Amino acid sequence: EVQLVESGGGLVQPGGSLRLSCAASGFTFSEYWMHWVRQVPGKGLVWVARVNKDGRFTTYADSVTGRFTISRDNAKNTLYLQMKSLRVEDTAFYYCSRERFSPRDWGVDYWGQGILVTVSS
Amino acid sequence: SYGLTQPPSVSVSPGQTATITCSGDPFPNQYSYWYQQKAGQAPVLVIYQDFERPSGIPERFSGSVSGASVTLTISGVQAEDEADYYCQSADSTGNYWVFGGGTKLTVL
Repeated sequence: EVQLVESGGGLVQPGGSLRLSCAASGFTFSEYWMHWVRQVPGKGLVWVARVNKDGRFTTYADSVTGRFTISRDNAKNTLYLQMKSLRVEDTAFYYCSRERFSPRDWGVDYWGQGILVTVSS
Repeated sequence: SYGLTQPPSVSVSPGQTATITCSGDPFPNQYSYWYQQKAGQAPVLVIYQDFERPSGIPERFSGSVSGASVTLTISGVQAEDEADYYCQSADSTGNYWVFGGGTKLTVL
């Protein structure tokens, strides 16, 4: 069974940093591109970042470019999101998600349960 | 950047057909995906590659494309279908993804 379990969320002050982790199991982690998607409570889904299979290629939404870094450790089956210079508007649930396997099949087939990040003084 | 536009809400009675549209620049050249999100839960993929259904998704869920718009259709809506629905696509390289703003489906 595919499982994605996020951790590392919590309360942080504006300007602070936080690192999210996502432990993957039930599939060959190194064979999949991975993403972070966020959702402000009561609002819609917003794509945040994408990383390729070996971690060498990453892309980001404009709103987080230069502040967030997506990375992975295939030996540990873990996805990360390093967040710096956090803003109040970064407050959201953050979902770890797996991209579908086939070429050009750019959708998510599995989601974690989400982890809440609250940026507030 | 580009966006995907969905109606904020759709309401139907049980047994009727619900249609949710999503329009934007990626279509029709890029695939569309639809996710169902029930209150307090993670999203679930219900349509991929415009009209394909993942295993376990009821046949009453279907997708279609027409020009720069895609549509999610739920035939014979049931109370359990009440949820938020999001469309999603990507740019031509797959490197930048976008979600629609979401549509709240209310079953009257």
